[in-house]
Amino acid sequence: AQSVTQPDIHITVSEGASLELRCNYSYGATPYLFWYVQSPGQGLQLLLKYFSGDTLVQGIKGFEAEFKRSQSSFNLRKPSVHWSDAAEYFCAVGGRKTGANNLFFGTGTRLTVIP
Amino acid sequence: EAQVTQNPRYLITVTGKKLTVTCSQNMNHEYMSWYRQDPGLGLRQIYYSMNVEVTDKGDVPEGYKVSRKEKRNFPLILESPSPNQTSLYFCASSLAVDRVSNSPLHFGNGTRLTVT
Repeated sequence: AQSVTQPDIHITVSEGASLELRCNYSYGATPYLFWYVQSPGQGLQLLLKYFSGDTLVQGIKGFEAEFKRSQSSFNLRKPSVHWSDAAEYFCAVGGRKTGANNLFFGTGTRLTVIP
Repeated sequence: EAQVTQNPRYLITVTGKKLTVTCSQNMNHEYMSWYRQDPGLGLRQIYYSMNVEVTDKGDVPEGYKVSRKEKRNFPLILESPSPNQTSLYFCASSLAVDRVSNSPLHFGNGTRLTVT
């Protein structure tokens, strides 16, 4: 069975500091991996995705993520956080058998940015 | 503007009173899906549809029904709502229908349902 673990429920960082949000997955084959962001009162917006190829993927808003097969991880990073990055972040995995559309989500990490 | 529209945004109802949450997309997407979001549990898939008249159960389908009579609409039906269905619901759609795809999901803005 597939699963996604986001071990940090809540992270607080200072504006301008670097950020890393952790994501570990369990899946029987190479998965499709995603990071979504949810601002208060909004739906989810795709930040970036990994399907194959280069294990370091670039996304919108200056985010990047690195797929590490040996660690079953897909951590999200940003070198300098802006106050507008405060939101909830979800890691998700899609299966090659069921397709990239049927996503299994982690429980989310809420990011607070302090001035 | 390309979008997924859910209605209503907020709904308060009582146990046992049938309700429908509508979802419509204007992108001619073949794939549509419903999720519920609960604190500490993230998003869990309720039902999905690969195309018109084709629907399948997700991870938490109990207590819900869906239909896909037209490509653009995918309503979520609660025949007899219960308090444990109090949640934030999201509809999503995607262009791709095949199994190996890189078409991302587009989400609606959510429907907050309270069942008393």
